[in-house]
Amino acid sequence: AAGVIQSPRHLIKEKRETATLKCYPIPRHDTVYWYQQGPGQDPQFLISFYEKMQSDKGSIPDRFSAQQFSDYHSELNMSSLELGDSALYFCASRILAGGSPDTQYFGPGTRLTVL
Amino acid sequence: TQLLEQSPQFLSIQEGENLTVYCNSSSVFSSLQWYRQEPGEGPVLLVTVVTGGEVKKLKRLTFQFGDARKDSSLHITAAQPGDTGLYLCAGGRGYSTLTFGKGTMLLVSP
Repeated sequence: AAGVIQSPRHLIKEKRETATLKCYPIPRHDTVYWYQQGPGQDPQFLISFYEKMQSDKGSIPDRFSAQQFSDYHSELNMSSLELGDSALYFCASRILAGGSPDTQYFGPGTRLTVL
Repeated sequence: TQLLEQSPQFLSIQEGENLTVYCNSSSVFSSLQWYRQEPGEGPVLLVTVVTGGEVKKLKRLTFQFGDARKDSSLHITAAQPGDTGLYLCAGGRGYSTLTFGKGTMLLVSP
């Protein structure tokens, strides 16, 4: 079965640089969530999109922005990177119709390292 | 304030032992998900429970949702080294984002 795809899997950036993370949800899934997970932490919700519109906002810094495109893939844009942005970034998707609407399926994550 | 409290935070056991992980909240959830995560990888969904009192079994794993839908437990029978990982519970309330517990790190030694 198709899963959530994230790219790149690993990314190394310098302070003050920008980064773009991509997420391709499971086909026919209409909602995408972005999470940040620091070492030894649980995933922290950043932002979500439903049908290409922002649906919820969590602890996303103003330096970050995200969008969902017409093909439902999403991109997380991170600017003025700081050392503290080093973390695993996960994308999750879910489908509104059928199954449990609460269930989210996670991608493998992007490990961002800011030097 | 952590809305979902998981316990224990860390568990180290020998192969063949049984264990139970708890996920408790003072809030009601419409569903409870359990995920297992390995280092550097994304959380993998194990099960979703939606009905109060529901019990689901996945091989040696038994999941239960409390009658009041405020708590859940994960019981593993005869643990194996392959069960090692971070177990996360997450509560859902309709179409909003999930609330995660802090996780339980399980280490099963041969």
